[in-house]
Amino acid sequence: EDKVVQSPLSLVVHEGDTVTLNCSYEVTNFRSLLWYKQEKKAPTFLFMLTSSGIEKKSGRLSSILDKKELFSILNITATQTGDSAVYLCAVILMNRDDKIIFGKGTRLHILP
Amino acid sequence: SQTIHQWPATLVQPVGSPLSLECTVEGTSNPNLYWYRQAAGRGLQLLFYSVGIGQISSEVPQNLSASRPQDRQFILSSKKLLLSDSGFYLCAWSVSPGAGYTFGSGTRLTVV
Repeated sequence: EDKVVQSPLSLVVHEGDTVTLNCSYEVTNFRSLLWYKQEKKAPTFLFMLTSSGIEKKSGRLSSILDKKELFSILNITATQTGDSAVYLCAVILMNRDDKIIFGKGTRLHILP
Repeated sequence: SQTIHQWPATLVQPVGSPLSLECTVEGTSNPNLYWYRQAAGRGLQLLFYSVGIGQISSEVPQNLSASRPQDRQFILSSKKLLLSDSGFYLCAWSVSPGAGYTFGSGTRLTVV
């Protein structure tokens, strides 16, 4: 059975700290891995990773994929209270229906 | 531009009542469409997906059904709601295989 496992499930840190969120996967026919940020409503896209070892960066957020060890990390440096959210990891399966399998998410809370 | 609309935003329904949630996409044609449910602590669960008009695939056996009467319209229905149908329902679309999803704003359903 295809699965995506995120850790930790929840995390509380102080503003200014750096956090690392983990995502491991076991799927058949891997295409790409996605990271989303979900605040109160719909998830918003952060990164899509397809190749191993190539870091994607957007401001204080960065992510990298290891296709050999089947995991990805999402780093957030100099955290701010606005980073508080649920971060979702998902894997796109390589088939014509383009299904995506989601992890349960990591709930991140930044204390001021 | 491409947009996705989902309504209503919130819904409170009694057990045994019917359900109809609607999702429409603008600015694209023949998208892949998806219905997800997000229950507390369980992550995003794929319920149905559709790769074309009248084509529906169900991922989990349940009390719900889906229909795609038009190319850019996706409807989630139930004849009789159960308490366990409560959750946050998200519609999503994919412009092409491997492109990831864009989500609608979601419907929070509470069955009482």
